Amino acid sequence: EAQVTQNPRYLITVTGKKLTVTCSQNMNHEYMSWYRQDPGLGLRQIYYSMNVEVTDKGDVPEGYKVSRKEKRNFPLILESPSPNQTSLYFCASSLKSRGGQSHEQYFGPGTRLTVT
Amino acid sequence: QKEVEQNSGPLSVPEGAIASLNCTYSDRGSQSFFWYRQYSGKSPELIMFIYSNGDKEDGRFTAQLNKASQYVSLLIRDSQPSDSATYLCAVNIDISNFGNEKLTFGTGTRLTIIP
Repeated sequence: EAQVTQNPRYLITVTGKKLTVTCSQNMNHEYMSWYRQDPGLGLRQIYYSMNVEVTDKGDVPEGYKVSRKEKRNFPLILESPSPNQTSLYFCASSLKSRGGQSHEQYFGPGTRLTVT
Repeated sequence: QKEVEQNSGPLSVPEGAIASLNCTYSDRGSQSFFWYRQYSGKSPELIMFIYSNGDKEDGRFTAQLNKASQYVSLLIRDSQPSDSATYLCAVNIDISNFGNEKLTFGTGTRLTIIP
């Protein structure tokens, strides 16, 4: 089954304790992205990756790190989480755009993170 | 000015009627337009995509694009209670010649279908 998986689905942690949220896709997609979703603010892009070893900042990258060592995996790292990073996080993947036209993004199930 | 704007709603529509959802965007270079549906606590799922001016129909759903007016809409005919969800408009902007892209979402319109 074609899918994007994320782990963990729910996480409660304390300020300053490093954490990693994993994301994996089995569709051989080049493009992967992380979003956070907050009430009234919608989905905002954190980081994205066009391919292995190619990553770039989105709209709200502060406090986050990513890596893309393999095509299928795109982990999100919070080195020192703070309460303002409490949010619902989504990983997504898609084929790379062609001729200026983009493809559907497939979303993972989401990770609900609470930082106390 | 927000890059992608939607009325947050809530929009209430009687069952069986047509629901009309609207979205405007600021970047004239935008080439790809998507409508996603999101149930509470779940991930967004694609409903429609449209690239060219005009209408695109898929079952009960019709997407309409007017690039001159920078406007994209989604019509849902014969609305069902299961259509009650938040609808997200998303616009891709090709930000380089190498296919880099940024997917910008509106904040979504909450739709409620009243039985």
